[in-house]
Amino acid sequence: DIQLTQSPSTLSASVGDRVTITCRASQSITYWLAWYQQKPGKAPKLLIYKASTLENGVPPRFSGSGSGTEFTLAISSLQPDDFATYYCQQYKTYPLTFGGGTKVEIK
Amino acid sequence: QVQLVQSGGEVKKPGATVKVSCKASGYILNNYGIDWVRQAPGQGLEWMGGISAFNGNTNYAQKFQDRVTMTTDTSTGMVSMELRSLRSDDTAVYYCARGVVVVPGVILDFWGQGTLVTVSS
Repeated sequence: DIQLTQSPSTLSASVGDRVTITCRASQSITYWLAWYQQKPGKAPKLLIYKASTLENGVPPRFSGSGSGTEFTLAISSLQPDDFATYYCQQYKTYPLTFGGGTKVEIK
Repeated sequence: QVQLVQSGGEVKKPGATVKVSCKASGYILNNYGIDWVRQAPGQGLEWMGGISAFNGNTNYAQKFQDRVTMTTDTSTGMVSMELRSLRSDDTAVYYCARGVVVVPGVILDFWGQGTLVTVSS
């Protein structure tokens, strides 16, 4: 199985900050990576797929980059609605696997 | 609009079987799959498997291969996931999600609200 390692596991930031989250894969997944946002008690929401393609309706302050084994999710100017946990997911091979999550909390 | 509405929470004893259902609406069911993802309390996301609504083909994670069955009824839009021989570490929120085939794999673009399954003696 492909392992995904996210860092950091927790991130403290303020409204307006630029934040980045890293997802490293145990082997190359080309660009077959998605990012999800999850708020407490809610289902995950798809943000980005194919490493950098924004899902419809997702604000442009979110962006994704990377290929191979290293990927980044960036939020250009953190908004109050963005405090949540973020997960990466690879779909290069089955089983689909997720990273351990990064919690973005208020500083 | 796309909606996935799941059945209510369940409390089961160890060794029992649980069946969670997911009613899909607002899109052409045959064009997508439904995948199941679970989340233990305070933990991350774990993919269990998926089913094609087009032909009923399933793809299960090896971890659940012997204990899970996923079925679909396209006439009603109902998809179900049955997990047998429950253990305490199966306590989790179980989500269904619409699977969009983006070869080589699947992304999950709409999710149900989740169903809490508690396994306790």
